[in-house]
Amino acid sequence: EDQVTQSPEALRLQEGESSSLNCSYTVSGLRGLFWYRQDPGKGPEFLFTLYSAGEEKEKERLKATLTKKESFLHITAPKPEDSATYLCAVWRGYQKVTFGTGTKLQVIP
Amino acid sequence: EAQVTQNPRYLITVTGKKLTVTCSQNMNHEYMSWYRQDPGLGLRQIYYSMNVEVTDKGDVPEGYKVSRKEKRNFPLILESPSPNQTSLYFCASSPLPWDTQYFGPGTRLTVL
Repeated sequence: EDQVTQSPEALRLQEGESSSLNCSYTVSGLRGLFWYRQDPGKGPEFLFTLYSAGEEKEKERLKATLTKKESFLHITAPKPEDSATYLCAVWRGYQKVTFGTGTKLQVIP
Repeated sequence: EAQVTQNPRYLITVTGKKLTVTCSQNMNHEYMSWYRQDPGLGLRQIYYSMNVEVTDKGDVPEGYKVSRKEKRNFPLILESPSPNQTSLYFCASSPLPWDTQYFGPGTRLTVL
């Protein structure tokens, strides 16, 4: 059965304290892996797309990496405005998408 | 402005009363999809559409219908809503499958 698992469920960091979020997946026919940020009551906002193992993408304090079994979202020196829920999603087969349940990040000043 | 719009944003209804949630995108995207989001379960795909008149089931299609008569619109229909369909619903679109999906603002539905 296709599965996407994110860990930890929640993470509390001090401002400036770097950490990583994990997204592990077991899907048949992975076509791509996406990271989104979601603020309370709003739609997910796109961050990164990764298509093949070894690929890395960076944007400001965020860096996403991909292996054959998992992806990491590294957050360097986070700020309070980085507080949000971070979602991982995989395109599988040809047209379907499976999301993880997310990691809720809180960055304390 | 490129966007996905949904209406209504909030809806409270009663069991069995048919309703439609509209979704429209102005980016000429081929692929559109509906999701529901529930605490502890994340976003789950309900239906998706590859193009006009081409739709298929996602992981949780029971109790829902969709149609794609125009490329820009992808309404979600609940013909006989039940309380277990109380949820936050998102519409999304992407240029093609495997592309970045752009999400609407969400519709919070309560079925009493």
